[in-house]
Formats: sequence, structure tokens, C-alpha cells
Amino acid sequence: DTGVSQDPRHKITKRGQNVTFRCDPISEHNRLYWYRQTLGQGPEFLTYFQNEAQLEKSRLLSDRFSAERPKGSFSTLEIQRTEQGDSAMYLCASTLGGAGETQYFGPGTRLLVL
Amino acid sequence: AQSVTQPDIHITVSEGASLELRCNYSYGATPYLFWYVQSPGQGLQLLLKYFSGDTLVQGIKGFEAEFKRSQSSFNLRKPSVHWSDAAEYFCAVGPISGGGADGLTFGKGTHLIIQP
Repeated sequence: DTGVSQDPRHKITKRGQNVTFRCDPISEHNRLYWYRQTLGQGPEFLTYFQNEAQLEKSRLLSDRFSAERPKGSFSTLEIQRTEQGDSAMYLCASTLGGAGETQYFGPGTRLLVL
Repeated sequence: AQSVTQPDIHITVSEGASLELRCNYSYGATPYLFWYVQSPGQGLQLLLKYFSGDTLVQGIKGFEAEFKRSQSSFNLRKPSVHWSDAAEYFCAVGPISGGGADGLTFGKGTHLIIQP
């Protein structure tokens, strides 16, 4: 069990550029979650996958955001045409099982949009 | 929709003193309740969780929390804090109702400062 990993840890980009983040969950965890955390706030749920199926998307996930988990293992979160308001920490978590199971979080990717 | 309120944005405690961090929630059913801790540059680490049964829950690092349904509260306590406890603490409730999602709803966090 090596924990949830995320790459990159930090990303600085210019407004209008596209960015992609990667999350590698704990091996064998079938559920994977993405959250966004802005300064002074708690994490906010964005979306989650059960295996390769994306089952739920928050209203926070605008059309510029897309997430994939093609083989039910790692996941990517892409933001197109970044805006300054996208600056935040993007957190990934994984869990084995259903509702209420412990979500194990990665260290996050901190995005700064200039 | 569910919500979590952590009334204290900052709390300062002397090392060795007791600690209580408050958490109130709004949820339409029996909730799952969690406390996470976040240190600078670190991911969120689970301290403890409540699903059912005994309302006093023991966690890691000497923390405990008590679920009080009548008060919709899930306060975190520690009898004697250490300087290493300085961090951001988040209370969370789950699952998110509707749509089958089981993501968590977090409070805004309480920043714990430890005085020597």
C-alpha cells in the first residue's frame, strides 16, 4: 500500500492554457474521487468514479473540466481554457467499497493560474 | 442539502492543555461523520470516523469524538495537545445525498495553533 499519489504537485499556467493532472489511487481501490480546495475552505466534491465509470459530477464541474479513468486504475483531470478562478488545490482520494468507507487522500496538485 | 459548520476558524491552545474542536452538521438521515487533519504540504489524514454504534469514537494520535444526535454535533477532543498537533482540522459528513454520489461534504476547517 503505497498511498494515493498525484502528479504534478504544483502547476503554474497562464490563463487560457489547458492543464492535466494525474491521480494514482491505492491499488485495488475501486472508487476514486476528485475534490477542489480553495484557500481557507474545506475540500469540495467534484466527481467520482467506480472502476472506469464516472457516476456523479458536481455542479462545480463546469464544461471546461473533464475527468477520465480509462482502465479503472489511474485517473486524469483536465481543465481547458483555464481561468484565474481555477486556482486551487486539486485533491484525489480513493476507497475500497461504498458509501462511508474511509477515503484516502493524495497530497494534491496545487494549480496557480496567472 | 447537507452541510457542515465548524464555528471556530482559529483556535490557540497551550501545549499540554486539552482541546475541543466543534463540528455541527445538517443531514437528512443517519450520517457518516469524519474528522481529517491536514498539515502543510500533506494530504488529508483520517483521524476517526463514526458510522453507528458507540457514540464515543476513538481515533489515532489520542483523539476522540462524540456523536450527539440531539445536538447534531460531532466534536473532536484531545486531553493533552502536543506541538505536532498544529494543523488544519476538517469535519466531514457523507455521503452526499441524491444521485448516488458518496463524496464527502467538508466544513471550512479549524486552524489549530499550539503555544509553547
